Amino acid sequence: EIVLTQSPGTLSLSPGERATLSCRTSQSVTSSYLAWYQQKPGQAPRLLIYGASSRATGIPDRFSGSGSGTDFTLTISRLEPEDFAVYYCQQYGSSPGTFGQGTRLEIK
Amino acid sequence: QLQLQESGPGLVKPSETLSLTCAVSGVSTSSSTYYWGWIRQPPGEGLEWIGSIYYSGSTYYNPSLKSRVTISVDTSKSQFSLKLSSVTAADTAIYYCARKPPSGSFYGYFDYWGQGTLVTVSS
Repeated sequence: EIVLTQSPGTLSLSPGERATLSCRTSQSVTSSYLAWYQQKPGQAPRLLIYGASSRATGIPDRFSGSGSGTDFTLTISRLEPEDFAVYYCQQYGSSPGTFGQGTRLEIK
Repeated sequence: QLQLQESGPGLVKPSETLSLTCAVSGVSTSSSTYYWGWIRQPPGEGLEWIGSIYYSGSTYYNPSLKSRVTISVDTSKSQFSLKLSSVTAADTAIYYCARKPPSGSFYGYFDYWGQGTLVTVSS
């Protein structure tokens, strides 16, 4: 099973700042099969990025994904108040599909 | 507008079987395009993929749960179901149903999710 390690555990930033979230995998991810989700309290996860860098439908272009192999990044170029949430990465190239433990993005 | 809605008991006794159903509206579960999946999240913790099913009935399960999980689909009712047997307190979680679009991978990511339903395992 591929283990995903997200860092930092908590990121404290202000609206308007740039956020960089990391997801490292214990083995190389097949074909960049890596997704990112945003989850707010009491809500289901929301797909942001799939295929490491493709934005899901309706996702603002301030969200971008990059990386390959074992090292992936989610960047939020300019934080809006509604972006403060928990973010999860997921690899889906190998069985079982696995998720990282999450990064909490909080308002500073 | 695609919608998924989980339903089932919110409380299950230890050693019994957890049963949930996901009703899908806006697209048919008989579509050959999509897989349908279950994911769970213990309160305050991370996400765990349970398994996925195709309209034909082909299934993929998380190996850690495979011996206890059964996922089935009823295309006539546009719904799919989860059964998890021999539950313990460790199975207490929010259970989500979700849609897996084509991705080139059997395991896939999920683009539409239900709101989730909390299932507590307790006597």
